[in-house]
Amino acid sequence: GENVEQHPSTLSVQEGDSAVIKCTYSDSASNYFPWYKQELGKRPQLIIDIRSNVGEKKDQRIAVTLNKTAKHFSLHITETQPEDSAVYFCAARTDSWGKLQFGAGTQVVVTP
Amino acid sequence: DTGVSQDPRHKITKRGQNVTFRCDPISEHNRLYWYRQTLGQGPEFLTYFQNEAQLEKSRLLSDRFSAERPKGSFSTLEIQRTEQGDSAMYLCASSLGGLTNEQFFGPGTRLTVL
Repeated sequence: GENVEQHPSTLSVQEGDSAVIKCTYSDSASNYFPWYKQELGKRPQLIIDIRSNVGEKKDQRIAVTLNKTAKHFSLHITETQPEDSAVYFCAARTDSWGKLQFGAGTQVVVTP
Repeated sequence: DTGVSQDPRHKITKRGQNVTFRCDPISEHNRLYWYRQTLGQGPEFLTYFQNEAQLEKSRLLSDRFSAERPKGSFSTLEIQRTEQGDSAMYLCASSLGGLTNEQFFGPGTRLTVL
């Protein structure tokens, strides 16, 4: 089955700097890659996603890139703010039913 | 609140007891998923419903776990003879299907087995 690895596990950045989180996946049939943000004690919330027919997608300060050949995708957060502090999860979907395989998460801490 | 809701939010039980959790998806969503999340890990898929049909069950799910979605609306997840290893956050998500099939998560039920 699909296996998703996520790095780093923790990331500390100064406010205003950029943060990059990287994920790799194993199943070349994976076709959809969402990123979720989970604040402490709260539910995971989708922040951006990308489908396999697109190489890059941007939404304000957040962007995701996908390299299908290398089977990796990345989340980029620019001009980080303290409210960006949270755990971020990448995920991959292989089947049409929508089951997601999640990475282990990255704890992002933005210090003022 | 029109989001996914789960009940109870917290459950403490003794080993060997049975517990049941409920999930109410977003009303027009026909797909419903259960995931389990332990500390420091991402959610792990448990099972999936399309309407009332349970279409997939993870190999992680032992025979002590059963899920239902009798009328294609709310779903229940029951754990029989709970073990300490069952302690986790149980998350429910729902979706409408389609190309992206965005999954909306509920707040979760935190289970502690003593």
